[in-house]
Parts: sequence; C-alpha cells; structure tokens
Amino acid sequence: DQQVKQNSPSLSVQEGRISILNCDYTNSMFDYFLWYKKYPAEGPTFLISISSIKDKNEDGRFTVFLNKSAKHLSLHIVPSQPGDSAVYFCAASALSTGNQFYFGTGTSLTVIP
Amino acid sequence: NAGVMQNPRHLVRRRGQEARLRCSPMKGHSHVYWYRQLPEEGLKFMVYLQKENIIDESGMPKERFSAEFPKEGPSILRIQQVVRGDSAAYFCASSPRSGGNRETQYFGPGTRLLVL
Repeated sequence: DQQVKQNSPSLSVQEGRISILNCDYTNSMFDYFLWYKKYPAEGPTFLISISSIKDKNEDGRFTVFLNKSAKHLSLHIVPSQPGDSAVYFCAASALSTGNQFYFGTGTSLTVIP
Repeated sequence: NAGVMQNPRHLVRRRGQEARLRCSPMKGHSHVYWYRQLPEEGLKFMVYLQKENIIDESGMPKERFSAEFPKEGPSILRIQQVVRGDSAAYFCASSPRSGGNRETQYFGPGTRLLVL
C-alpha cells in the first residue's frame, strides 16, 4: 500500500538547467510534505517542507509546489548543479497518523556537468 | 558531531542470530524513530519512541522485533532470530519535540544489515 509515489526512478539533467522531481500521494489526509536528499551510504538529509495551507515554498535554489486537488507535489531545483546528484525522496504525514512519515521510493537525479 | 549517530554502520549476521542496532539522537532531541529501507523501496516507518516509552509501533513486525529508548543511553532496535528477509538498511531519525506531524525528523547514516 504505497501512499506516496515517485513514478520516475531516475532523471538526468544538464548542469544549469532546471530539475523537476514529481511526487503523487493518495491519502487526502496528508497535510505536511517534505523532500529529503540522500547520498549513497548516508542517511536522508532534510531539504525543504511545505504544509497544506500553502501551495509554494522556496528556499534558495529549491522550490516545492503543492497541488492539493491533484494530490501532487514537485520539487524544482534551479539552477541544477553536479553536487545535486543524489536520490530524492518525498515524504508526507497526517495529523491522524501522528509522527509517522510515509516515503516515496525515490528518484535518482544525475546532473551532468 | 552533533548529528544522529548509528552503530554499527554495517552488520552481518547468520540466520537465527540476534541483531542489535543502536541510535543516539541529536543533542537535545528526545524523540526517536526507526525506519527500514528494503532494496529498491522507500523508507518504511517502524516505531516511534520517547524516553522510556513506545509511542507508536504500528510499523513494527509483531514477532522478533523490539525497540527501546532507555532513560540513559541510546535507542536500541533488536531483531531476534534474523532471517534473510531482514536484510535492509535501518535508519534512525530524531526530532526535538513532538509537534505532531509537523516536526522535521533528522536522520542518521543508517545500519546496513546483511543476513547470510
């Protein structure tokens, strides 16, 4: 029962261009969403979050967009840099499920110099 | 290093042995979460603990798995009589307080368990 889905297992982008990573969810009770970045052999690192009362949150080169009606969120990285190459996980939580985060399966981003 | 610490980083066990995974949360954090990542899958929630209390263990298998977070010392995830299907990366995360579901969780580097 995968409540958070990342349908693109991998993405390649040229350095300097925009990277767009997508995430879909099925549980309409989710009201808090996060993106984590993970390098090989390391734990996930928190990147950016958004609550359901917003539709956009920006932090430097990273912007997360939330479309509640479509149950869809996306992470935009502009401009992409080689150091951004990593696996990106989206995660969601709901007040009703307490502190449990539901993670997608990840998208491996490769930024080509 | 003020981050979440996990040890060992790698653990090899034979079927039927016990595995003990340890997690020290970030300084000032009193909430610990354990997640498991199977190959080609996302992280799956297992258990949420505060000091001396298990708050939510809905993601933990009913048998062979247990977790604790004592008053002193690290949180321990214990797997008894390991089987090959337990091979996975086990991640611990911590947060400073329980703000409900809005509290960002900070992850450790994980323990990679391999069961032979």
